[in-house]
Amino acid sequence: DTEVTQTPKHLVMGMTNKKSLKCEQHMGHRAMYWYKQKAKKPPELMFVYSYEKLSINESVPSRFSPECPNSSLLNLHLHALQPEDSALYLCASSQDSRQGYGYTFGSGTRLTVV
Amino acid sequence: RKEVEQDPGPFNVPEGATVAFNCTYSNSASQSFFWYRQDCRKEPKLLMSVYSSGNEDGRFTAQLNRASQYISLLIRDSKLSDSATYLCVVTLFSGGYNKLIFGAGTRLAVHP
Repeated sequence: DTEVTQTPKHLVMGMTNKKSLKCEQHMGHRAMYWYKQKAKKPPELMFVYSYEKLSINESVPSRFSPECPNSSLLNLHLHALQPEDSALYLCASSQDSRQGYGYTFGSGTRLTVV
Repeated sequence: RKEVEQDPGPFNVPEGATVAFNCTYSNSASQSFFWYRQDCRKEPKLLMSVYSSGNEDGRFTAQLNRASQYISLLIRDSKLSDSATYLCVVTLFSGGYNKLIFGAGTRLAVHP
């Protein structure tokens, strides 16, 4: 299995809703990442988990809350989002966060906040 | 100054053409270099790593010049299926973590 699976593929949520994005990989990778990508912009790093511990938070607002229940799963909990948070949210994994290669990206969740 | 700079394009070329993309990076401590391809509304996928000695994969040739902090990608005999955005990516090791830094991408449109 060489894939990163993200669910749901599309999500529309109101500004008062609580929702979660899910990411799963079974490649034995010990680093997992959340990226945000706006239209016609490059992906921007949000969070890095290394060996199931949060190691990097790129000054992301607290309305985004990551969680890593185990080495294969990564969640992103969403609460009280703003319309400008609408974007493609990409999960990625790699063998080790100290390596810059061997990244696999999921196909993303396209989020619309209304 | 952006950490990784690319010409956004679009590059509109006919099938069979040769097209070249350039990229510059600002931090001389950057460690690894890649070209990723991203199709519309899809995730980025690794196209190829880039080495100082230059490397080739079929119709694609990548080159790195560390002294000039310059990366290039050459696509020969363009196919319709090459239409995509090409992202120049460098890595920088900081705080125990090797971070991917993406350029804004160069759009390529190959037409019949």
